[in-house]
Amino acid sequence: GQNIDQPTEMTATEGAIVQINCTYQTSGFNGLFWYQQHAGEAPTFLSYNVLDGLEEKGRFSSFLSRSKGYSYLLLKELQMKDSASYLCAANDYKLSFGAGTTVTVRA
Amino acid sequence: ETGVTQSPTHLIKTRGQQVTLRCSSQSGHNTVSWYQQALGQGPQFIFQYYREEENGRGNFPPRFSGLQFPNYSSELNVNALELDDSALYLCASSQDSNEQFFGPGTRLTVL
Repeated sequence: GQNIDQPTEMTATEGAIVQINCTYQTSGFNGLFWYQQHAGEAPTFLSYNVLDGLEEKGRFSSFLSRSKGYSYLLLKELQMKDSASYLCAANDYKLSFGAGTTVTVRA
Repeated sequence: ETGVTQSPTHLIKTRGQQVTLRCSSQSGHNTVSWYQQALGQGPQFIFQYYREEENGRGNFPPRFSGLQFPNYSSELNVNALELDDSALYLCASSQDSNEQFFGPGTRLTVL
C-alpha cells in the first residue's frame, strides 16, 4: 500500500522561510512531486525529484532522500500569494498524494 | 500547446443518478489519469488510461468506469451516485506516465 505523510498546517511571516516535510512508504517509486493548490483550483506543478539531493528553482527548493523515504519543500522569501495547500505525491505510474499542508503567510 | 481541459466545470446531481465527466489531454500526451479530491484531502487515484486501455485502478468500486478515445481524450462515468461522491474530479495527462499536468477539475455535488 501507499502511505504519504505531511503536516496539516504551517504558518509563517511574509519574507520568512518555511520547510514542509513529507515521508512516504510506497510499493513502487519513480520519484516525488510537489504541487501547489489554491482553494478551489487544480494542483500546479512545483518540482519533481527523481535522484537524491536538492533541486532549486527560484524561491522554491525540493530535497529527496530515497533511502529514508523523505522529502521536503523549502519556500524562501515568503509572499502572501504563497498561502496555499502544498501536496507531495509519490510517483509509481500513478500519483499517491498526501493530504496536503496548508501554509498561511501572515503580514 | 493546448493544456488539459475538463468539462463541465460544475455539476449538481441527485443520489442514484449517473454522470459523465470529460477530459481533453494536452497535445502530445497519450496517458490520462483521473483523481477524486474530497474537501480537505489530497487527490485519490481512480484509474489511468494509456493508449485506450485501462492501465491501473485505485480503490474505487466498479460503478466508476472510464474510457479513452483514439485522440486520447477521456471520460469518467459514475453510476448510482452517492452523497460521498461529491468532490472535485481531476484529470491529468502525461506522456508515458511522466510528469502529470492537471486540468482545472470538475466540481460534482450530489444532493
